[in-house]
Amino acid sequence: DAGVIQSPRHEVTEMGQEVTLRCKPISGHNSLFWYRQTMMRGLELLIYFNNNVPIDDSGMPEDRFSAKMPNASFSTLKIQPSEPRDSAVYFCASRIDQYSYEQYFGPGTRLTVT
Amino acid sequence: DQQVKQNSPSLSVQEGRISILNCDYTNSMFDYFLWYKKYPAEGPTFLISISSIKDKNEDGRFTVFLNKSAKHLSLHIVPSQPGDSAVYFCAARVYNQGGKLIFGQGTELSVKP
Repeated sequence: DAGVIQSPRHEVTEMGQEVTLRCKPISGHNSLFWYRQTMMRGLELLIYFNNNVPIDDSGMPEDRFSAKMPNASFSTLKIQPSEPRDSAVYFCASRIDQYSYEQYFGPGTRLTVT
Repeated sequence: DQQVKQNSPSLSVQEGRISILNCDYTNSMFDYFLWYKKYPAEGPTFLISISSIKDKNEDGRFTVFLNKSAKHLSLHIVPSQPGDSAVYFCAARVYNQGGKLIFGQGTELSVKP
């Protein structure tokens, strides 16, 4: 099994530009999560989906952030416009279903906004 | 409002000794607690879990203890090995909210030979 796949692994962009992060969950997993890792707060949950439906987006920092899951095998996290304070590592994770607790993480995307 | 807290950002231990990583929580609605391990440039990987109805779970060198009255859990690694050097995240699952996990800030463990 390939595991959770994220792209790109690194992204450097200028302030004001649009950034799109991509995630392919493990095949057969019905839940998908987007996290942001910061030194101060650790792993922050941004949004999660069950069966492609957004369940909780209360962690999305502001309207500049949006996430979609058009099908069971693909999700995007978009930041528009990006700001330097968005610089962080963004992780995608998937889970078999909403009843299990173990989440499987991708390798992350390191975003740098200059 | 940090519901899961890891107050020690780092810990250094000698190889062969015990490593103890601590985690405190504030929400009584957590039903499972988990520890994840993260190496640089990789995503976190699941290490061990404990149900809120238990007070101990052991898996090889790793043991997690839960003290519900103190809202505290700890991860013990015995004996510690250099390969255990990583960042450890404590996480808690919110009961009846679709399996949402709340993570702590992480503790970086360094095991010196």
